[in-house]
Amino acid sequence: EAGVTQFPSHSVIEKGQTVTLRCDPISGHDNLYWYRRVMGKEIKFLLHFVKESKQDESGMPNNRFLAERTGGTYSTLKVQPAELEDSGVYFCASSQVGGLNSPLHFGNGTRLTVT
Amino acid sequence: AQKITQTQPGMFVQEKEAVTLDCTYDTSDPSYGLFWYKQPSSGEMIFLIYQGSYDQQNATEGRYSLNFQKARKSANLVISASQLGDSAMYFCAMRASTAAGSYQLTFGKGTKLSVIP
Repeated sequence: EAGVTQFPSHSVIEKGQTVTLRCDPISGHDNLYWYRRVMGKEIKFLLHFVKESKQDESGMPNNRFLAERTGGTYSTLKVQPAELEDSGVYFCASSQVGGLNSPLHFGNGTRLTVT
Repeated sequence: AQKITQTQPGMFVQEKEAVTLDCTYDTSDPSYGLFWYKQPSSGEMIFLIYQGSYDQQNATEGRYSLNFQKARKSANLVISASQLGDSAMYFCAMRASTAAGSYQLTFGKGTKLSVIP
């Protein structure tokens, strides 16, 4: 079974540019999550999809971030325009069910550097 | 609001020895799940072990065990017979319900474990 895959693994962009991160969850996993870790801080929740619907987007920092999951398969996270404080590692995770005891399976993350 | 505290930024352990990584948590929710993840230098987050708030027994998975003390709100990870491959960042995390009906994970800052040969 293929794990959660994220693309690209690294991205370096200039302030003001746009970047789109992609996540392919484990096949059959309806629940898809985005998290991010800014340097020196905790890993923070961004949002949660159930199939194509946004279940919880309370962690999205501002309207420069747009997440989509058309068709309930892969998801994209777009940052437009990027700011310096957006630098960090963006993780995607998926789970088959969304309950308390269901572990999240994480991808390797995308390291975003905004210069 | 949920909070996870890992007070050890870094730990060293001799190969083949056991090590305990500390984790305390805070939540007002009676139902929650506690998780430990390992992040090697390659970057992936690997799920290690889970403990439910109503579980009577401590969880074990191979060399990993979770010392769950509910009254103290602690969920320490014990790694027995450390191996060089155990060198990594270890994150404690809690899953509880949110106002939006989601079960998001709340992470601690992590503990960097280094195994010495």
